[in-house]
Amino acid sequence: DAKTTQPNSMESNEEEPVHLPCNHSTISGTDYIHWYRQLPSQGPEYVIHGLTSNVNNRMASLAIAEDRKSSTLILHRATLRDAAVYYCILRDVLRGDDKIIFGKGTRLHILP
Amino acid sequence: GAGVSQSPSNKVTEKGKDVELRCDPISGHTALYWYRQSLGQGLEFLIYFQGNSAPDKSGLPSDRFSAERTGGSVSTLTIQRTQQEDSAVYLCASSSLTSGGPTDTQYFGPGTRLTVL
Repeated sequence: DAKTTQPNSMESNEEEPVHLPCNHSTISGTDYIHWYRQLPSQGPEYVIHGLTSNVNNRMASLAIAEDRKSSTLILHRATLRDAAVYYCILRDVLRGDDKIIFGKGTRLHILP
Repeated sequence: GAGVSQSPSNKVTEKGKDVELRCDPISGHTALYWYRQSLGQGLEFLIYFQGNSAPDKSGLPSDRFSAERTGGSVSTLTIQRTQQEDSAVYLCASSSLTSGGPTDTQYFGPGTRLTVL
């Protein structure tokens, strides 16, 4: 499976935008880029996913580099509730199964 | 609607005992997954059920671990002769696979925290 690289941790101030980077230099043409997050003492929850084009939803935006070797999850206005571990994951449409291979993720700290 | 539920939320057992963990997926979801998360570690895939197909057991760490899914709905993860290294949070997820494979969202339950003394 193609691998992703994320910083171990990041800090941001409340009510400011947060840019969470992810490198996936070995991504294949059939890999989708997904982001999940895990709030303290909870199971992971889906945030957003994309293939080539930038994506927006009510939770976040996903900016994908033109060569697809990196992507950035953007939280437009961080709140204390956004403190979580954020996982950047590649999922291959050709693999024929649906299990998620999680890495270590980025622990995001929000400062009040 | 109701999300994925798991029971018990916490389980403390003695080394060598068997435990059963239950997962109730979202109604209508055909795919069900088990993961575990040890203290300070990332999430590790254990097993995957999809409809009537044979389960993908490739992530089970030993033959002490088994899982079944009855009637395409509820699933039970069984750990026999528990060891201290089995202590972890066991998470269940389900998805509907309506659009196929990697674009389907997995919905996770709150997990069962297992402590083996």
